Amino acid sequence: AQRVTQPEKLLSVFKGAPVELKCNYSYSGSPELFWYVQYSRQRLQLLLRHISRESIKGFTADLNKGETSFHLKKPFAQEEDSAMYYCALSGHNYGQNFVFGPGTRLSVLP
Amino acid sequence: DAGVTQSPTHLIKTRGQQVTLRCSPKSGHDTVSWYQQALGQGPQFIFQYYEEEERQRGNFPDRFSGHQFPNYSSELNVNALLLGDSALYLCASSIGQRGNTIYFGEGSWLTVV
Repeated sequence: AQRVTQPEKLLSVFKGAPVELKCNYSYSGSPELFWYVQYSRQRLQLLLRHISRESIKGFTADLNKGETSFHLKKPFAQEEDSAMYYCALSGHNYGQNFVFGPGTRLSVLP
Repeated sequence: DAGVTQSPTHLIKTRGQQVTLRCSPKSGHDTVSWYQQALGQGPQFIFQYYEEEERQRGNFPDRFSGHQFPNYSSELNVNALLLGDSALYLCASSIGQRGNTIYFGEGSWLTVV
């Protein structure tokens, strides 16, 4: 069965500190992995996807198939990064059937 | 471009009643998916509509049904409401049935009392 886990419900860091939001998944195949973000009073939006191998707003995420992980990292957190972050999986056979993790609330303290 | 729009924003229903939620996809998008997001949880896939047909379905009972219109807009219907149906219902749209760049609406908050 497809499953996404995010072990931390809340992660608090100080401004300028590194941040890592953990995501692990289970899927029998080669999934596509995504990070979605929801800022306060805004809609859920795509932050990045593993196949793009890009850095968005300073965030990067590497897919580790051996550890079935897709952790989100940023070397220097900013206060505007405070938001709810969701890791999501889409199997190639599932199209838009995204499986989301429970989310991690990131709080960047001044 | 207004993006994905959903209505109503909030509504309160009584147990046993029926509810209809509406979604207009982003301009140029032809595929609509619906998600349920309970408090403190991530969104959970309900179903996807493409070419006016339900193409995929998540683990939701038949009380949840939908429709897609020729203009690509969509409705989500829930019958015989239960207290556990209280949640944020999100609509997402994309281009094509397998489009992996999806855009979400702001959601409809449903409270069942």
